[in-house]
Formats: sequence, structure tokens, C-alpha cells
Amino acid sequence: DTEVTQTPKHLVMGMTNKKSLKCEQHMGHRAMYWYKQKAKKPPELMFVYSYEKLSINESVPSRFSPECPNSSLLNLHLHALQPEDSALYLCASSQTGTGNYEQYFGPGTRLTVT
Amino acid sequence: EDKVVQSPLSLVVHEGDTVTLNCSYEVTNFRSLLWYKQEKKAPTFLFMLTSSGIEKKSGRLSSILDKKELFSILNITATQTGDSAVYLCVLAGGTSYGKLTFGQGTILTVHP
Repeated sequence: DTEVTQTPKHLVMGMTNKKSLKCEQHMGHRAMYWYKQKAKKPPELMFVYSYEKLSINESVPSRFSPECPNSSLLNLHLHALQPEDSALYLCASSQTGTGNYEQYFGPGTRLTVT
Repeated sequence: EDKVVQSPLSLVVHEGDTVTLNCSYEVTNFRSLLWYKQEKKAPTFLFMLTSSGIEKKSGRLSSILDKKELFSILNITATQTGDSAVYLCVLAGGTSYGKLTFGQGTILTVHP
């Protein structure tokens, strides 16, 4: 299984809502990532988890809260978002260790904040 | 700060043409350079280049890295409409493992 899955595919939420994005992989990867991608721009890294521990937080606002409950799952909890947070949210995973730089991306969740 | 610059930013060709996409970079601690193809959704991996001068090939696509001049190229021969996509040059470097630096991408459009 070389697939990263993400749910939901699309999400529309109001600025006062609380929602979660989910990501799952069964490739045995121990590094997982959240990216945000705006239209016609490359992905921007948000968070990196390595062995279920947060290793990189790219100064992301606290209205985004990541969680890695186990080595296969990655969640992104959303609360009090702003319209400018509307974007494609991509999850990725990779092996760890020297030489393992290839990241496998999921199909993304298209988020619209109204 | 690591930096990746791709050129051209967009390219329109006809089926059967050969294209060359360019990527130049600046990096403090080079680990690898990767190429991804992004259509509607997830970027899909094409190549990972670590050593200079060694060409990687996959079908009609090939790529090579020059670590002395700090650039890479991605070649696509006999282009097809299915090659239409954004091609991302991505740098693995710096001091934080797992952090990739993305170029702005080259939008390739292949007309029938």
C-alpha cells in the first residue's frame, strides 16, 4: 500500500466552527507532514511529526492544532479559522533517516472558510 | 535561507515537442533535489537526485543534477497532453530533517 489518504475531500466551515482533517498511511513511515497550498503557489510546510512527536512547527497560528495519535494517523484540528485560511491542505509521509527525502502526498482536503 | 528558482514559469508546447525545465538553487546543507509533478491534486514523485552528473530516467522523462553549478534540469521528450501539469523542483537541505524547500513551479501545457 503506497497511498496516503485524506478525509474529507472537501470541507466548508464557518469561522466559529470546529472541524478536523484526517490523514492516514500504512507504509510504515514514521514522519508525517501537513502542508497548506494556495492557488497557483507551491505547498507551504506547516508541521512535521517524527516518531509521533512534533519536530517542526513553522510558526503556524494556534487556530491550527496538529495531533499524531499513532504512527499511521495524523489529524489537523481547526478552530476559529479566517477566510484567508481557505486552501488545499495536503498531508504527506516519508521514511526517516539519511537518504529518505521522498515524501508521498495525499490528495488533499479542499477547505473553504466562510 | 535555502532557495529554489525554476524557469520558465510557464511553457506551452504541442504534442511531440521536447521540453527542458530548469531549476537553480541555493542551499546551506544539500541533502537531495527532488522533482514532483502536480496535476489537480497531490504532487506525485518523479525523481530524487543526490549525485552530480548521474542521469535519472523514467520513460520519456529524465533529470540530471549539477552540484557545482547548483542546478538541475528535467527533460520531457515526445510530450503528450497528459504531461500537462505543474512541475515542482524541491530541495531537501538545511538543518531541519524533513523540511523541503519548493520552487514556484513550472506550468507546462501540452496542446494536441
